[in-house]
Amino acid sequence: EAGVAQSPRYKIIEKRQSVAFWCNPISGHATLYWYQQILGQGPKLLIQFQNNGVVDDSQLPKDRFSAERLKGVDSTLKIQPAKLEDSAVYLCASSPRAGGLYQETQYFGPGTRLLVL
Amino acid sequence: QKEVEQNSGPLSVPEGAIASLNCTYSDRVSQSFFWYRQYSGKSPELIMSIYSNGDKEDGRFTAQLNKASQYVSLLIRDSQPSDSATYLCAPPSGAGSYQLTFGKGTKLSVIP
Repeated sequence: EAGVAQSPRYKIIEKRQSVAFWCNPISGHATLYWYQQILGQGPKLLIQFQNNGVVDDSQLPKDRFSAERLKGVDSTLKIQPAKLEDSAVYLCASSPRAGGLYQETQYFGPGTRLLVL
Repeated sequence: QKEVEQNSGPLSVPEGAIASLNCTYSDRVSQSFFWYRQYSGKSPELIMSIYSNGDKEDGRFTAQLNKASQYVSLLIRDSQPSDSATYLCAPPSGAGSYQLTFGKGTKLSVIP
């Protein structure tokens, strides 16, 4: 079974530029998450999709970040304009479905390392 | 605000010893708990999940959950240098939310 795919793996941009990240979840997984992980911290949830709908984007800085999951499969996360503090690893994760009593395992992609200069 | 606290690291143990990692959480509704391992420069990978009070063993790993105390731990027996990584505790953010709130992680170094 193929894992979660992300691209690019690395990106260096200057502040005020824009950048986009792509994620393809495990086939059949309904739920997709984007996390931001700053060095030395645990992953912080930015947005959660269930199929192609947004479940929670309360921690997404909407003035500069946007995300979409068209057709309920792959997803893109965009930052425009980038700030120095956006330097982090952006992780995409997926899980089979959101249903039942217990949280299901989330499977993470390799992440995209972003450096904003 | 859901909070997850992990024992501050780094934690160094000699090879073959038992490593003990601790985690407390603030959300009383959390039903299931996950321990993720993250090697430097890599993404988190699930190593243990536990849903009921008590112990759950999987090979050299034992997770212990005490919901009344809002405490979960991970014991690694016969620690190996390959266990050197950051361990992230992740209780869900609440019943039905299907989100995880990660702690900052505890960095473990196993010294040969």
